[in-house]
Amino acid sequence: QVQLVQSGSELKKPGASVKVSCKASGYTFTTYAMNWVRQAPGQGLEWMGWINTNTGNPTYAQGFTGRFVFSLDTSVSTAYLQISSLNAEDTAVYYCARGTPYCSGGSCYSIWYFDLWGRGTLVTVSS
Amino acid sequence: SYELTQPPSVSVSPGQTASITCSGDKLGDKYACWYQQKPGQSPVVVIYQDSKRPSGIPERFSGSNSGNTATLTISGTQAMDEADYYCQAWDSSSVVFGGGTKLTVL
Repeated sequence: QVQLVQSGSELKKPGASVKVSCKASGYTFTTYAMNWVRQAPGQGLEWMGWINTNTGNPTYAQGFTGRFVFSLDTSVSTAYLQISSLNAEDTAVYYCARGTPYCSGGSCYSIWYFDLWGRGTLVTVSS
Repeated sequence: SYELTQPPSVSVSPGQTASITCSGDKLGDKYACWYQQKPGQSPVVVIYQDSKRPSGIPERFSGSNSGNTATLTISGTQAMDEADYYCQAWDSSSVVFGGGTKLTVL
């Protein structure tokens, strides 16, 4: 079964760190980019960036540099999101999402849509 | 930075056609896709590459993209279509989401 299974909810104190995992199954992990998307309570979707599952090279969106780290363990087909120095504004659901490239006329592009999502991990930051 | 603008809410009667717009500068020159998100659930892609429908998505969902506007159209809207809908595109190697539209079926 093709799926992304994320780790469970986390409750953290301000200043702490958290590491969210996203385990892929049912497909070749290194064939697709892995993205991270944040959704604050009652808000819309916000793209955090992506990681190249072949090279491990991460790309961070504006506003997600410094405290956010994407990493991989390809031996277990798992992507990770680590957030340090947590504050209340980091309270959100964090989704991993597989990126499938757009293809046309036999060529595929380095842009994609998200065809497979994890169920999300709620991270709550509260003292 | 690039922005995609959606109406905050759209209402439609059951069986009627709902149209949700997404506006951005020269959006028609980019690929647009649409996600449906129901309360407490993960987003699901309903349209990609402007007008393609993934397997398992009902035929009543269709999309178009031209000029500065992409449109998601739901024909014969059903109560189960009530959800938040987000458009998404790429600009300068970054993913951009619209702010989302709450579709109410009443």
